[in-house]
Parts: sequence; C-alpha cells; structure tokens
Amino acid sequence: GESVGLHLPTLSVQEGDNSIINCAYSNSASDYFIWYKQESGKGPQFIIDIRSNMDKRQGQRVTVLLNKTVKHLSLQIAATQPGDSAVYFCAERGTNDYKLSFGAGTTVTVRA
Amino acid sequence: DTEVTQTPKHLVMGMTNKKSLKCEQHMGHRAMYWYKQKAKKPPELMFVYSYEKLSINESVPSRFSPECPNSSLLNLHLHALQPEDSALYLCASSRERENSNQPQHFGDGTRLSIL
Repeated sequence: GESVGLHLPTLSVQEGDNSIINCAYSNSASDYFIWYKQESGKGPQFIIDIRSNMDKRQGQRVTVLLNKTVKHLSLQIAATQPGDSAVYFCAERGTNDYKLSFGAGTTVTVRA
Repeated sequence: DTEVTQTPKHLVMGMTNKKSLKCEQHMGHRAMYWYKQKAKKPPELMFVYSYEKLSINESVPSRFSPECPNSSLLNLHLHALQPEDSALYLCASSRERENSNQPQHFGDGTRLSIL
C-alpha cells in the first residue's frame, strides 16, 4: 500500500542553527498529517499537526509546511537545542482511514 | 510527562509465561490503540478500540489478546510469546473515533524481552 517516507535517515545540526526535516508521502487522499518526536527510551511525543486545507502551521519553535502539489511535508525547528536530539516521525492519514501511516523516521543529532 | 501511562516499563518473560501489559489514560479519549515498535523502526499498529469495543485487529497472532475493561483502561494479555515478539509495546489514545482529525497521544511503552 501507499506509505509515508522520509528523505534522509539522519540529520546532524549545529546547536543554534535551524533544522529542516523532510517527508514525502504518496497517498493523494491523505488529509491529516502529524509530526512526532521520539527520544531514547520514550514513546512518540506529539509535536504539531496540519490538515490538508492548510499550507503552514506554526507552534513553539516549530513550523510544519505542507505542499500538496508535490506531496511533501516538512518540519522546521528554529534555534535547535541539544534537547531536540531525537528520532522524528511524520505520519499521515487519509479521509475515513482508521490507520496512521508512519514514515521511517529521521534521527536528529545536535552538535554542541 | 506523558498523559498515557503504561506499566510495567520493562518486562522479561519466558515463552511459556502469561503476563499482561496495562495502559491508562484520563483524558476522556474514546479511541485507544496498541502498537509494536522494533528498534529503529516506526510503530506498527496492532489493535484499535473505539468506545471500548475492538474495531480493528491488524492480523495479530492470537498469542496477543487485547482487553478494554472501561474507557480509561486498555490491557494486552500475552501468552506463549516467541523471541521475535521482543519489542517496545506502545499504547496510544485519541479523542474520538480513530479516523477523526485528532492526534494520537502515546505512552512511553513497555520494553518486552522474551527469553
């Protein structure tokens, strides 16, 4: 079936820089998208979500961008901190779907 | 701290043992989920409960048996597991039906090791 994927499995970022994590999806019927952060030894933590009727949504230090034309989702983290080191998963769900489809995940490492 | 609480945090069991994983949420969510996560992989859906009734079983082997005693609790009963069942088992909940545009909130999981 169709699934969500990530462009890069790892990302190394200098502390204080901005991070951009990318995700491509293939299901054109997807209408709801979520970003999760999973730290070592913990469960996925909800960061931010976006519906398909929006292109951009901002949270605290995070911005999610959705480009439905090319089926691309990204998460931008401003002023990356050591506590941002984690695995980031994108997930999507289509209308009337019961299931979240997760991408493979991107491991973000913040360099001091 | 997560609002979905899972116990125990770690569990080691033999292949002939019977054990249970427990999950609790007090957010008033009516959809609850069990996921299995292997190392360096995304979570894989196992079961979905909606309004305390099992609505989805993702072809999970019968050695895993879910139970939803009430709207706040979700159990996963384990019996005769195999070594390949060793994984992180995650519980999640969401506000309404599983297909509403609401995020799922995860617990920190139970790390299960089968000897």
